Amino acid sequence: GESVGLHLPTLSVQEGDNSIINCAYSNSASDYFIWYKQESGKGPQFIIDIRSNMDKRQGQRVTVLLNKTVKHLSLQIAATQPGDSAVYFCAETSTGANSKLTFGKGITLSVRP
Amino acid sequence: EAQVTQNPRYLITVTGKKLTVTCSQNMNHEYMSWYRQDPGLGLRQIYYSMNVEVTDKGDVPEGYKVSRKEKRNFPLILESPSPNQTSLYFCASSFAGRVYGELFFGEGSRLTVL
Repeated sequence: GESVGLHLPTLSVQEGDNSIINCAYSNSASDYFIWYKQESGKGPQFIIDIRSNMDKRQGQRVTVLLNKTVKHLSLQIAATQPGDSAVYFCAETSTGANSKLTFGKGITLSVRP
Repeated sequence: EAQVTQNPRYLITVTGKKLTVTCSQNMNHEYMSWYRQDPGLGLRQIYYSMNVEVTDKGDVPEGYKVSRKEKRNFPLILESPSPNQTSLYFCASSFAGRVYGELFFGEGSRLTVL
């Protein structure tokens, strides 16, 4: 079946380094992708989204890259800070009627001081 | 402050004892949804509502009920809880036009069914 998955369950980075969190998706009909951040004890929080007509979108310290050819999505965090420590989820959907939002299982980002 | 509020945040109950988890949003969102989060399974949708009096099943609706009598409230009802409903529950909302985008989540309700 269709699935959204993440390559690695955990990622440890040094404070100040850049982080790259990867996500693979398999539903070729998906045309809208979102990254969420979930801090310990809190609900997921929207970070950034991207539509399939784009291959890159930048926010504040974050960049999302979309490679439709290989069905790959990544989230880049520049100058990672301790406050970036969290679980990150990618999610996919299509913008058509009755489509559903499918979340990946999450990857934990741990920032070393 | 714009927020989605869930209550209770923590609850321990016993099998068969009906309970309701409330969810309220103050952003005038049309769309509301309930998810459960379990280790290794990620976020799975239980029920969702496109607007008042409009609800529909998500991926894992068995054992749950919802209602949407008012725009701001979307309670989750467990008529006869069972141990397999032990989980972390999240309510989320968004504007109808952004249903599949910027969902606003509550802080979560951790439920344990003994």
